[in-house]
Amino acid sequence: GQQLNQSPQSMFIQEGEDVSMNCTSSSIFNTWLWYKQDPGEGPVLLIALYKAGELTSNGRLTAQFGITRKDSFLNISASIPSDVGIYFCAGRPTGTASKLTFGTGTRLQVTL
Amino acid sequence: NAGVTQTPKFQVLKTGQSMTLQCAQDMNHEYMSWYRQDPGMGLRLIHYSVGAGITDQGEVPNGYNVSRSTTEDFPLRLLSAAPSQTSVYFCASSFPGRGRIGELFFGEGSRLTVL
Repeated sequence: GQQLNQSPQSMFIQEGEDVSMNCTSSSIFNTWLWYKQDPGEGPVLLIALYKAGELTSNGRLTAQFGITRKDSFLNISASIPSDVGIYFCAGRPTGTASKLTFGTGTRLQVTL
Repeated sequence: NAGVTQTPKFQVLKTGQSMTLQCAQDMNHEYMSWYRQDPGMGLRLIHYSVGAGITDQGEVPNGYNVSRSTTEDFPLRLLSAAPSQTSVYFCASSFPGRGRIGELFFGEGSRLTVL
């Protein structure tokens, strides 16, 4: 099946630092999305991207749809303790109208 | 608003037993899907449905059945549980008609252990 490589797998950061994570695919995607999962809960959508080159912000979060359509990036500015959780990228490959592929996740832990 | 409701939240089965995970949404979403989440493997699509009466297989469908008799409900059946099906299962829904197939609303998950 489709593979999405997400990195880093985990990271510890100081409160107030900026965070960057990315996701790459071996094939072209039509849609890129970023989700966050808190412990014991289901993922929640953060940002959705629909055009190559698109840059979208949601508060302190900014995500970009890569120009090659094979990657996407998520940045978190000025991290706070509630940013702790697992961040997943997800994408819809070209030719798959109804299937979404998820990355393996980036576990973010913030130290005070 | 209830959103996507999954039951049960926890379940322990013995190998060979069957059971059904229930999923209901009250948002009139056409698209519904089931994922399983395993450590280090992210979320993998089991089955999905684009509307009542229509279902299709995802990435890991073996050992699972689904049906979609109403817009609101999308149950997932384990036919003969195996230890490899120990996982956390998530139901998710969205409006595919708007081109937003990926804007999923997830339930809180059902944690299944097969002994």
